[in-house]
Amino acid sequence: SYELTQPPSVSVSPGQTASITCSGDKLGDKYTSWYQQKPGQSPVLVIYKDSKRPSGIPERFSGSNSGNTATLTISGTQAMDEADYYCQAWDINTAVFGGGTKLTVL
Amino acid sequence: QVQLQESGPGLVKPSQTLSLTCTVSGGSISSGPYYWSWIRQPAGKGLEWIGRIYTSGSTNYNPSLKSRVTISIDTSKNQFSLKLSSVTAADTAVYYCARVNPGVGATYLDIWGQGTMVTVSS
Repeated sequence: SYELTQPPSVSVSPGQTASITCSGDKLGDKYTSWYQQKPGQSPVLVIYKDSKRPSGIPERFSGSNSGNTATLTISGTQAMDEADYYCQAWDINTAVFGGGTKLTVL
Repeated sequence: QVQLQESGPGLVKPSQTLSLTCTVSGGSISSGPYYWSWIRQPAGKGLEWIGRIYTSGSTNYNPSLKSRVTISIDTSKNQFSLKLSSVTAADTAVYYCARVNPGVGATYLDIWGQGTMVTVSS
């Protein structure tokens, strides 16, 4: 079965750029979505189709996908961005999630 | 705007069947090209996709759960449902329903319910 791998944790200082990676076999051939989940809340879509932002998502969130790695980038990270982030892709009509990355802003 | 709300028993006994319903409000479940999906998350762990259903009744399931899962849809009630049979403690989780937007060339889960906690225990 298809697998997506994320680092368990990433730390960033306020105002700096955070990068969260998601790796999978030929992931660049698929579209990747990213979801933000804060404690006690439902996931929220922050990036779809590798790099598109849904309405209401700040411009500091961006994404890319090439080769075997998709990357979520948060520029000018704010304290409110501290959350768990999950990548997701589809493999033959099956949704696959990465294990999640806890972003700490300190 | 479309909203999703999960409902169902919060406690299920081992070996029994877990049953949940997701009610869609603010729009018709039949309108648009959308699929409707279930996802779960054990406490402190990541997201696990369970499956999805189209308004036609066509389904796709997570291969690891396929033998125990049934997702159905009732367009007259604007609801879709999840049944998970032969549950064990490992099925204890927060269960989310979500809308699957096929988009243009990409598919993503754009609207999520608030989630409902289900505990499997005798």
